[in-house]
Amino acid sequence: DQQVKQNSPSLSVQEGRISILNCDYTNSMFDYFLWYKKYPAEGPTFLISISSIKDKNEDGRFTVFLNKSAKHLSLHIVPSQPGDSAVYFCAGGTDKLIFGTGTRLQVFP
Amino acid sequence: DGGITQSPKYLFRKEGQNVTLSCEQNLNHDAMYWYRQDPGQGLRLIYYSQIVNDFQKGDIAEGYSVSREKKESFPLTVTSAQKNPTAFYLCASSMGAPHFYNEQFFGPGTRLTVL
Repeated sequence: DQQVKQNSPSLSVQEGRISILNCDYTNSMFDYFLWYKKYPAEGPTFLISISSIKDKNEDGRFTVFLNKSAKHLSLHIVPSQPGDSAVYFCAGGTDKLIFGTGTRLQVFP
Repeated sequence: DGGITQSPKYLFRKEGQNVTLSCEQNLNHDAMYWYRQDPGQGLRLIYYSQIVNDFQKGDIAEGYSVSREKKESFPLTVTSAQKNPTAFYLCASSMGAPHFYNEQFFGPGTRLTVL
């Protein structure tokens, strides 16, 4: 049972444009969500989080939107940079984190 | 500088052998976690510990064992009972119990290959 789904395994975006990474979940008990970024052969690094009582959280170029009625969240990166090329995982949290399968973002010049 | 170390980065073992993966943190975090990552899958929780001398099974604990004798250390043993042990293993820690304000910090990972 995949409680957190990232249906797009990959995304390619031109430098300077917006990257939108999507995540769907089924567990209505999640009370917070996080996005992690991962480079090959390294551990994930925390990017941004959002509480389930919020619908938006912004940190610099990164904004996370939460639509609880649709059980959907998205990560917007504006403007996208080549250094953003990585795998992005969303995760839903209760007493533990449940991770999605990841989306590989490639930002090209 | 503070962080989480996992050693070794690459580990090879013969089938049927137990192997222990090391995880050490100097962040003074109470909680520690072990995850497994397989190609095309998200991170799956194996075991976690919120305090010394206590730990709980995660979603895929079968074939694994852990100990938490010290706050800084949370070694994971992959036993011969684990049917598909070849994977990338990640250790993480957090200040307290999982919450949006208690981000988990990850180590660099250990890639285990069982031949």
